[in-house]
Amino acid sequence: NAGVTQTPKFQVLKTGQSMTLQCAQDMNHNSMYWYRQDPGMGLRLIYYSASEGTTDKGEVPNGYNVSRLNKREFSLRLESAAPSQTSVYFCASSEILRSEQFFGPGTRLTVL
Amino acid sequence: GQQVMQIPQYQHVQEGEDFTTYCNSSTTLSNIQWYKQRPGGHPVFLIQLVKSGEVKKQKRLTFQFGEAKKNSSLHITATQTTDVGTYFCAGQVEGGNTGKLIFGQGTTLQVKP
Repeated sequence: NAGVTQTPKFQVLKTGQSMTLQCAQDMNHNSMYWYRQDPGMGLRLIYYSASEGTTDKGEVPNGYNVSRLNKREFSLRLESAAPSQTSVYFCASSEILRSEQFFGPGTRLTVL
Repeated sequence: GQQVMQIPQYQHVQEGEDFTTYCNSSTTLSNIQWYKQRPGGHPVFLIQLVKSGEVKKQKRLTFQFGEAKKNSSLHITATQTTDVGTYFCAGQVEGGNTGKLIFGQGTTLQVKP
C-alpha cells in the first residue's frame, strides 16, 4: 500500500497563476484533509471532507477550493495564487473523523 | 478562537537527558493526538488520549492527558539522536461535531550526541 500520495512534490508559481494539488489514498478511508504548514505556525486546516460527497471549511479556507472526486481522491485548487500561499501543503486521511490521521509527503509551493 | 498552545518551541538536550513538551488548550478537548515530524518529513501519528487523567507509555515516551482535558504532555526519558524532530499535539474540541484537529505550534527537539 502506498498510503497517502501527493503530486506534485514541488511547484513554483507566479502571482495570479492557478494550480491544483492532487491527493489520493489507498486505505479506504472515509475522511480526508488539507493542511498548510508555515514556520512556527504548526499545521492549519484548510478544508476537510468527512466522507465522499461532503466538504467543509477549516481554519484558513480563503483563496482555496477543494473537490472530493471520489472516496480515494481529494484535490486542492488555488485559483489565483498569492505570495502568502507559499507554504508546505499536506494531505491527510483517516478512517473516520476523530481517528488517527495519515499524512502524505507534502507539496512545497512557492509563489513569486 | 480555539487555540492549542505548545511549549517550549525549541529544546536542545544532551543525549541521555530527559525531555518534556507541554500542550494547553483554551477549551475542553474530547481527545488529544500526538504526532512526530522528522526534519523534511511529514507528521506521523504517535498516540491518541481520550480519557481524563489518562497516561500511556510507548517505550521511553510517556503521554498524559490532564484531568480537566485541557492539557497534555509528552515526556521522553533518556533521549536518543533518533528522537530528533518536531512533536505536535493536536486536539479535537469536546462537543464539536466535526473532526477538526487543532494543532499546537510544535516543539522542535535537537539532541546532541
